[in-house]
Amino acid sequence: SQTIHQWPATLVQPVGSPLSLECTVEGTSNPNLYWYRQAAGRGLQLLFYSVGIGQISSEVPQNLSASRPQDRQFILSSKKLLLSDSGFYLCAWSWPPNFGPGTRLLVL
Amino acid sequence: DQQVKQNSPSLSVQEGRISILNCDYTNSMFDYFLWYKKYPAEGPTFLISISSIKDKNEDGRFTVFLNKSAKHLSLHIVPSQPGDSAVYFCAASLSNNDMRFGAGTRLTVKP
Repeated sequence: SQTIHQWPATLVQPVGSPLSLECTVEGTSNPNLYWYRQAAGRGLQLLFYSVGIGQISSEVPQNLSASRPQDRQFILSSKKLLLSDSGFYLCAWSWPPNFGPGTRLLVL
Repeated sequence: DQQVKQNSPSLSVQEGRISILNCDYTNSMFDYFLWYKKYPAEGPTFLISISSIKDKNEDGRFTVFLNKSAKHLSLHIVPSQPGDSAVYFCAASLSNNDMRFGAGTRLTVKP
């Protein structure tokens, strides 16, 4: 069966520090992968999606970047976190999107 | 821009009664609509969907209704159970990689 892993579950980072969130999918090959963010009181916002290795599409301009170094690995990064980057980050795969457990990021 | 809106942040219903969750959208080009359910500290799970060529889709206790002229969809849960207590998100899609979510409605089903 297919499963999706995200880590860490919770992360507290100071402003200006770097970020790396990892997502891996098991039990499938060449999946579409997505990064979403939910800010407090808001809906889920699509940040990036990828249809294959090295193929990244960005939906909104922001302080974040994404990479897909392997077929089933999707990484969300930032060189310098902002306070506004706080939120709940969700990785998803396939269609309709199947979501991972999420990472709650708090930037202080 | 909030193309998908869930105007009720919360809803409380008695066990056994019907829960009706509402969602409005602004873009008439959306062609596929979905509902997700989310428990605390977990990612959302897909619940039910409907294509724009239909006006109703039913799956057990869950029914989604689509009113294209009003740009409105709703999720009916009947009978409601305490385990249905969660946050429900509606979403609308233009293509497989372009999906817009509402802010969610927290449903509480009281025993």
